[in-house]
Amino acid sequence: EDQVTQSPEALRLQEGESSSLNCSYTVSGLRGLFWYRQDPGKGPEFLFTLYSAGEEKEKERLKATLTKKESFLHITAPKPEDSATYLCAVQAGDNFNKFYFGSGTKLNVKP
Amino acid sequence: DTGVSQDPRHKITKRGQNVTFRCDPISEHNRLYWYRQTLGQGPEFLTYFQNEAQLEKSRLLSDRFSAERPKGSFSTLEIQRTEQGDSAMYLCASSQGPVGAYTFGSGTRLTVV
Repeated sequence: EDQVTQSPEALRLQEGESSSLNCSYTVSGLRGLFWYRQDPGKGPEFLFTLYSAGEEKEKERLKATLTKKESFLHITAPKPEDSATYLCAVQAGDNFNKFYFGSGTKLNVKP
Repeated sequence: DTGVSQDPRHKITKRGQNVTFRCDPISEHNRLYWYRQTLGQGPEFLTYFQNEAQLEKSRLLSDRFSAERPKGSFSTLEIQRTEQGDSAMYLCASSQGPVGAYTFGSGTRLTVV
């Protein structure tokens, strides 16, 4: 059964304290893995797409990496404005019934 | 174009009533998606349009739900005979490029009382 699991559910960091969020997946055939940021009361904002193991993408303080079983979103020297819920999603087939979101990690960065 | 617009932002309805939501995508985007998100969960796929054609619906979608995208522009999502379990945030997204590179609207929060 296709599954996407994110951990931890919540993460509290001090400003400047680097950390990583995890997205593990079990799908029959990964077509792509996606990271989004969601602020309260808003829709998700697309961040990255990763297609194959070993691939990395960076944007400001965020870096996403992918292995055959999981993806990490590394946050370097976070700032309070990085506080949000970070969602990952996987595409496991050609149709959108095979596009699954995880439950997210709620990140709180304190000044 | 300032993004994907959804209307209304909030809707409170009594159980059994019908509700309709509207989504205005980014004008040059030919793909449009509806998702549903409950508290503490990630979005769940409901349906997908390419231009005016509805190409895919969630296998889990009740026949009380229907969506349209006339002329490939705005889209509407209607829920008939609402139930308390329909309470959720309904998100619309549009895209033109690769799968997953969506622009989401801010959603319509539905509360069924």
